[in-house]
Amino acid sequence: EAGVAQSPRYKIIEKRQSVAFWCNPISGHATLYWYQQILGQGPKLLIQFQNNGVVDDSQLPKDRFSAERLKGVDSTLKIQPAKLEDSAVYLCASSPNREGFTGELFFGEGSRLTVL
Amino acid sequence: GENVEQHPSTLSVQEGDSAVIKCTYSDSASNYFPWYKQELGKGPQLIIDIRSNVGEKKDQRIAVTLNKTAKHFSLHITETQPEDSAVYFCAASPLLQGYSGGGADGLTFGKGTHLIIQP
Repeated sequence: EAGVAQSPRYKIIEKRQSVAFWCNPISGHATLYWYQQILGQGPKLLIQFQNNGVVDDSQLPKDRFSAERLKGVDSTLKIQPAKLEDSAVYLCASSPNREGFTGELFFGEGSRLTVL
Repeated sequence: GENVEQHPSTLSVQEGDSAVIKCTYSDSASNYFPWYKQELGKGPQLIIDIRSNVGEKKDQRIAVTLNKTAKHFSLHITETQPEDSAVYFCAASPLLQGYSGGGADGLTFGKGTHLIIQP
């Protein structure tokens, strides 16, 4: 079974530029999460989707970050304009439908962003 | 919101010895406590988890204990091997059991422990 796919793996941009990250979850997984992992810290939840609806975006900096999951499958996370403190690894994770949910999240390998 | 504290930040042990990592949480509504292992350049991967109705769980060389009263839980790795070297994260979540609707259940992670196994 294919895992969570993310792209690009690495991105370097200047501050005030924009960037987008893409995630394709495990087939059939209804829930999709975006996490931000700053170097030396644990992942921090940015947004959680259930199918194509948002169930939690309380920690998403909405003045610069946006995310969508239009067809309930893949998702895009955008940052515009980027700040130096946005340098981090952006992790996408997915989990099955609620009936099959054991609590385990399946993470992709992440997209590493460097803002200069 | 939930706050998870994790100690130590770095742990170095001799191969074959045991390693213990400790976490505390703040929100009494949390009832699910997983541990994730992250290798360099990879995403975190679940290694063991425990729910609040259980005090201890074991899977081969790893075990997790939970003290709900004190709001702390620990990861124990016995007979450590070189492949155990990685960063370990504890986490907490108010995972609702047995429901089929939508709901926020994102994990709150600790800051991680870099486990180094010395040969």
